[in-house]
Amino acid sequence: AQSVAQPEDQVNVAEGNPLTVKCTYSVSGNPYLFWYVQYPNRGLQFLLKYITGDNLVKGSYGFEAEFNKSQTSFHLKKPSALVSDSALYFCAADNQGGKLIFGQGTELSVKP
Amino acid sequence: GAVVSQHPSRVICKSGTSVKIECRSLDFQATTMFWYRQFPKKSLMLMATSNEGSKATYEQGVEKDKFLINHASLTLSTLTVTSAHPEDSSFYICSASPSTNTEAFFGQGTRLTVV
Repeated sequence: AQSVAQPEDQVNVAEGNPLTVKCTYSVSGNPYLFWYVQYPNRGLQFLLKYITGDNLVKGSYGFEAEFNKSQTSFHLKKPSALVSDSALYFCAADNQGGKLIFGQGTELSVKP
Repeated sequence: GAVVSQHPSRVICKSGTSVKIECRSLDFQATTMFWYRQFPKKSLMLMATSNEGSKATYEQGVEKDKFLINHASLTLSTLTVTSAHPEDSSFYICSASPSTNTEAFFGQGTRLTVV
């Protein structure tokens, strides 16, 4: 079965420190990969995507993600975390024309 | 980016009644929309793929007679939860993409509470 895994339910970071939220995928072919963020009782907001090309993808709000084909990973990173980055983050893969496979979600908590 | 609007954002209904949730693509046409269900602090579970002008495609385990989907135009899909019960209480989210090579855009979500 095809799947996306986010191994950490929660990531805690001090404000100003770098953050990493991990994602690995097991999806056939060359899937498109995405990161979304969700604030309480809201829909998902798009952060960034990888389709092809440069393995380092830059997205919204200073986030970036590194695609690693050999490790089938797409980890989300930010050099300096903000308290306002605290939210639920989802990694997703798409190889069926829009049908997304989501990871379990990782709750990011950034403390002052 | 593209905008997907979902309405209502919150609804409370009595057990046994039906509730309709609308999902609109405001600035693009969407032949396909997706409906998800999300439990608290959990991932999104795809319920069905809504296809304009044809029947929706439901995921395994989702009751098509309970969750009626209609995609009557290129900008509107509706999800009707029929004969709602408390266990149907959840957060429902729709999404659509302007094209197959772009990211999905999500509605704001609908918090359904069945009492």
